[in-house]
Amino acid sequence: AQRVTQPEKLLSVFKGAPVELKCNYSYSGSPELFWYVQYSRQRLQLLLRHISRESIKGFTADLNKGETSFHLKKPFAQEEDSAMYYCALKGSGSEKLVFGKGTKLTVNP
Amino acid sequence: EAEVAQSPRYKITEKSQAVAFWCDPISGHATLYWYRQILGQGPELLVQFQDESVVDDSQLPKDRFSAERLKGVDSTLKIQPAELGDSAMYLCASSRRLAGGPDTQYFGPGTRLTVL
Repeated sequence: AQRVTQPEKLLSVFKGAPVELKCNYSYSGSPELFWYVQYSRQRLQLLLRHISRESIKGFTADLNKGETSFHLKKPFAQEEDSAMYYCALKGSGSEKLVFGKGTKLTVNP
Repeated sequence: EAEVAQSPRYKITEKSQAVAFWCDPISGHATLYWYRQILGQGPELLVQFQDESVVDDSQLPKDRFSAERLKGVDSTLKIQPAELGDSAMYLCASSRRLAGGPDTQYFGPGTRLTVL
């Protein structure tokens, strides 16, 4: 079974502090992992995917198959990073996204 | 920039009534998804279409939910009869896989359903 776990429902940091949003997954094959973000009053949108190995808005995420994790990191949080973040998994041969419950990030001034 | 459109944005209904939601995907996107997002949870896939065909409806409560995409473009999701537990945000997404490239799902604004 495919499962995505985001252990923190809420995360609060101060501006300029490092931030890490945790994501663990359960899948027997080789998954694709994604981070989606939803800013206040905006629609859900893709932030980054592990296969692109890119940094978006200063965020990075590395797939750790040994620990089955895909944590999202940013060295210096900004107030505009405040949003709801969802980790999602796509199994091989499938287009279906399985989402975690989300983490609400608040960056305080 | 093209976006996925959904209507209505909000719907309040009484239990046992019928409700319908509409989605217009980004032009050229062959794959369309309906998700349900209960408060405090992540989106959960209800049904996936490839053009006009259903690819995955394993999580769709077929006794009361139905979805169609007759011409392979826009889509309608219906609930009849609505139950209190159906109160949620219903999200539509679409995607188009570019040759040899990754696939990205683009989400609409959602329809928030409240069943009284």
